[in-house]
Amino acid sequence: EAQVTQNPRYLITVTGKKLTVTCSQNMNHEYMSWYRQDPGLGLRQIYYSMNVEVTDKGDVPEGYKVSRKEKRNFPLILESPSPNQTSLYFCASSPRGRGPDTQYFGPGTRLTVL
Amino acid sequence: AQSVTQLGSHVSVSEGALVLLRCNYSSSVPPYLFWYVQYPNQGLQLLLKYTSAATLVKGINGFEAEFKKSETSFHLTKPSAHMSDAAEYFCAVSDRDYGGATNKLIFGTGTLLAVQP
Repeated sequence: EAQVTQNPRYLITVTGKKLTVTCSQNMNHEYMSWYRQDPGLGLRQIYYSMNVEVTDKGDVPEGYKVSRKEKRNFPLILESPSPNQTSLYFCASSPRGRGPDTQYFGPGTRLTVL
Repeated sequence: AQSVTQLGSHVSVSEGALVLLRCNYSSSVPPYLFWYVQYPNQGLQLLLKYTSAATLVKGINGFEAEFKKSETSFHLTKPSAHMSDAAEYFCAVSDRDYGGATNKLIFGTGTLLAVQP
């Protein structure tokens, strides 16, 4: 089944404790992206990747890191989480590096930083 | 810069009534527009998309949207609401750079649809 998976789905952590949210897709997509969803703000892009070893900042990259060592995986790293990073996070992928392709979204990771 | 505005953060309709969710876009060039639905505790699912072909776009679950350039709108409609349509709906536009459309989506703030029995 074609899908985007994220782990963990739920996470409660404390300020400053490094964490990684994994994202994996099995559709051989070139483009992958991370968004955060906050009430009243919709979804905002954090980072994206056009292909392996090619990543770039989105609209709200502060406090986040990413890597793209393999085509299928695009982990989101929070080196020192803070309470303002409490949010719902979505990973997405699409077939090509650019163009208005349909994006396929993962199920989301709800992160709480105390 | 591309942007979308969704009017009404909450919309409530009766089962069987018309659903109308509003979306207006701002774009300096012909946009690519999307509607996504998010059911409780789930990810986003594409309902439909407009990519400069037919202005009336039909999507899944009986939804459709009409691209109106003169009104810069892309409103989502469904003739008869069903209880299972209760969800949050997001309008989005593809961002653009010097190379044309990108895969980055600019989302509206969402509209929560409630369907009353």
